[in-house]
Amino acid sequence: KAGVTQTPRYLIKTRGQQVTLSCSPISGHRSVSWYQQTPGQGLQFLFEYFSETQRNKGNFPGRFSGRQFSNSRSEMNVSTLELGDSALYLCASSLDETSGGLNTGELFFGEGSRLTVL
Amino acid sequence: EDKVVQSPLSLVVHEGDTVTLNCSYEVTNFRSLLWYKQEKKAPTFLFMLTSSGIEKKSGRLSSILDKKELFSILNITATQTGDSAVYLCAALNRDDKIIFGKGTRLHILP
Repeated sequence: KAGVTQTPRYLIKTRGQQVTLSCSPISGHRSVSWYQQTPGQGLQFLFEYFSETQRNKGNFPGRFSGRQFSNSRSEMNVSTLELGDSALYLCASSLDETSGGLNTGELFFGEGSRLTVL
Repeated sequence: EDKVVQSPLSLVVHEGDTVTLNCSYEVTNFRSLLWYKQEKKAPTFLFMLTSSGIEKKSGRLSSILDKKELFSILNITATQTGDSAVYLCAALNRDDKIIFGKGTRLHILP
């Protein structure tokens, strides 16, 4: 069974640009959540989608957005990039259909997309 | 503001030692406490604790939650070099928001 796949694995952008990251969940998983990981702040929750609907959202500015498609694949977009957006962006999928996909706590993470903003 | 604090931030021990990692939390409408292991990039699930005082065990790893004192510990006995990783603690509230700590970086020397 294939794991969670994130693309691209690495990318470099400059300030002011925008970026789109993609996440394909494990087959059958309908909950997809996104996280930002930086050395200073640790792992922070961005948002969670289930059946194409955003069910939960963290405390990030509106420049961070996402969506989920009918096949459960998800994308996140960051517009007007800032230097502080440099981070590892992790996607996780879950089999749970409860809100947040965290009834059992078991999230399956992808390898992440490492974004560097210059 | 909800927060999860892990200690120590980093730890270096020798193979065979026993380690205890700490996690304290202040979270509104707390539901559960989660532990994950992050070796390279993708964290992997270890435990979910919801009830106070009930130890969860998986091989050499065990964890327990104290909901009165608002903390959890993760114990690793007879450590091996493969246990070297960042261990992440997270609190889940009843609104399904998850708050992660900054992690404890554990390094096991052979």
